[in-house]
Amino acid sequence: DTEVTQTPKHLVMGMTNKKSLKCEQHMGHRAMYWYKQKAKKPPELMFVYSYEKLSINESVPSRFSPECPNSSLLNLHLHALQPEDSALYLCASSHLGLGGYTFGSGTRLTVV
Amino acid sequence: KNEVEQSPQNLTAQEGEFITINCSYSVGISALHWLQQHPGGGIVSLFMLSSGKKKHGRLIATINIQEKHSSLHITASHPRDSAVYICAVAQGSQGNLIFGKGTKLSVKP
Repeated sequence: DTEVTQTPKHLVMGMTNKKSLKCEQHMGHRAMYWYKQKAKKPPELMFVYSYEKLSINESVPSRFSPECPNSSLLNLHLHALQPEDSALYLCASSHLGLGGYTFGSGTRLTVV
Repeated sequence: KNEVEQSPQNLTAQEGEFITINCSYSVGISALHWLQQHPGGGIVSLFMLSSGKKKHGRLIATINIQEKHSSLHITASHPRDSAVYICAVAQGSQGNLIFGKGTKLSVKP
């Protein structure tokens, strides 16, 4: 299995909703990443998990809460989002500098 | 100044043409990635380079570490190559990427 699987592919949520984005990989990668991408812009790093521990948090608002339950799974819990949080959320994984950087197909999030 | 600069920003080519996209960076890196993104889609990793040259089908990527410059070449371009091509560099031990702004390529039949 050489894929990063993200679910759901599309999500529409209200500003008072709580939802979660999921990411899964079975390549044995020990680093997993969340990126946010606005239209016609490059991705921006949000969080990095290294060996299941949060190693980088790029000053992301607390309404985004990451979780790494095990080495194959990465979640992003969403609560009280704003319309400006609407974006494509990309998950990626890697062998921590040894290659194998793989992106998921993303979750297109719309906050209404 | 951005840490990763790509040129050109937009590129239109006729089918069959040879295409070059350039990337310059100003920081120390552990690797450089070339990525492809189709409209509304996820990102596909094309190459990871730390030195020299790599080839995959019609795609060739080169890097000059001393000059902090990389190029992506597409030979015999085809309309299905139309996409945004992104140069990204990996820094530090966590492998997180710093992205260029991308080059939007359109190949006309």
